[in-house]
Amino acid sequence: GEDVEQSLFLSVREGDSSVINCTYTDSSSTYLYWYKQEPGAGLQLLTYIFSNMDMKQDQRLTVLLNKKDKHLSLRIADTQTGDSAIYFCAETPRGGSASKIIFGSGTRLSIRP
Amino acid sequence: SQTIHQWPATLVQPVGSPLSLECTVEGTSNPNLYWYRQAAGRGLQLLFYSVGIGQISSEVPQNLSASRPQDRQFILSSKKLLLSDSGFYLCAWSPPDSHSGNTIYFGEGSWLTVV
Repeated sequence: GEDVEQSLFLSVREGDSSVINCTYTDSSSTYLYWYKQEPGAGLQLLTYIFSNMDMKQDQRLTVLLNKKDKHLSLRIADTQTGDSAIYFCAETPRGGSASKIIFGSGTRLSIRP
Repeated sequence: SQTIHQWPATLVQPVGSPLSLECTVEGTSNPNLYWYRQAAGRGLQLLFYSVGIGQISSEVPQNLSASRPQDRQFILSSKKLLLSDSGFYLCAWSPPDSHSGNTIYFGEGSWLTVV
């Protein structure tokens, strides 16, 4: 069945770039998402990318999609303490309803001074 | 603009007591509605989703139930809570059609501790 995997933890120094990686199994995925969850809060949609795109940039965020390897990454430039959160990768299969969105387990990003 | 609210934000309940978490969405019609659970240190588990009033789909067997008495209201309930029901519950909604990318928008979550 479909699966989305991400590493559980990432620690970066303040000011450096953070790269959070995700792999998925469903080759029919149409949309891939990144959500951010701050402590004790709900998930906030950061960005999403269509499967016919390779890259999407939005200010400090860059999303890269490698469809051949089924690999999605989120790069955060100039990482700040406010970026500390859990980041969830998610994908939805072609023709599927939103109920079929598959979430990864989340990557906890911590920032070192 | 659309907003989603869920309450209570925090709940401590004894084992065997009932549960009712409520969620409402404003600014949209006929949304798809969802209840997710996030256990400590784990990812999201879809519990229920609804595409319309009175239409509930359950994704996992459990002692929880969901109801949708109104178009923009979604309720998560239990008659008798178990310790294993503790967790962070998230209500979410998505537009009724697929043209917007099936994006899901989440509420702020409800912390449930069963003691």
